[in-house]
Amino acid sequence: DTEVTQTPKHLVMGMTNKKSLKCEQHMGHRAMYWYKQKAKKPPELMFVYSYEKLSINESVPSRFSPECPNSSLLNLHLHALQPEDSALYLCASNPPGKANYGYTFGSGTRLTVV
Amino acid sequence: AQTVTQSQPEMSVQEAETVTLSCTYDTSESDYYLFWYKQPPSRQMILVIRQEAYKQQNATENRFSVNFQKAAKSFSLKISDSQLGDAAMYFCAYRSLASTGTASKLTFGTGTRLQVTL
Repeated sequence: DTEVTQTPKHLVMGMTNKKSLKCEQHMGHRAMYWYKQKAKKPPELMFVYSYEKLSINESVPSRFSPECPNSSLLNLHLHALQPEDSALYLCASNPPGKANYGYTFGSGTRLTVV
Repeated sequence: AQTVTQSQPEMSVQEAETVTLSCTYDTSESDYYLFWYKQPPSRQMILVIRQEAYKQQNATENRFSVNFQKAAKSFSLKISDSQLGDAAMYFCAYRSLASTGTASKLTFGTGTRLQVTL
């Protein structure tokens, strides 16, 4: 298995809703990432988990909450989002200590906040 | 902090022809990694080619090759024998040697949209 799987592929949620995005990989990668990509823009880093330890981008608002239940699974919990949070959310993984490998990306969740 | 610049928002190439996409970067690090990623309308970021900064030899992957000029901090991508399936957004990306935490992130350029015409 050489894939990163993201679910759901599309999500529409209201500003008062709580929802979660899921990311899964079975490649034994111990570094996993959440990126946010606005239309016609490059991806921007939100969170990193290395060996299940969290590192955050300080500019990410608290309405985004990551969780790494185990080394294969990554969640992004969403609460009280704003319309400007509508974007493509990409998950990626990488074997730690092998930076030259680049990342393996999932196909993303297209999120629309109404 | 590192920055990556792609000065060509859009490029067009005819099928079977060759096209070169430009990328420059700024860093104070001596060792790092550079990547080209392709993002088709299906949205998934696909690794096209990678280059280790300590290697002088330019990387090649089938029809894709790079021209890496370390002193000039330039990393261009050449696509030979262009195919319709090459149409996508192409991102140049930088990564430092750090293997954990936010320092392990990929820093992306703004992208070049490549159109392939018949």
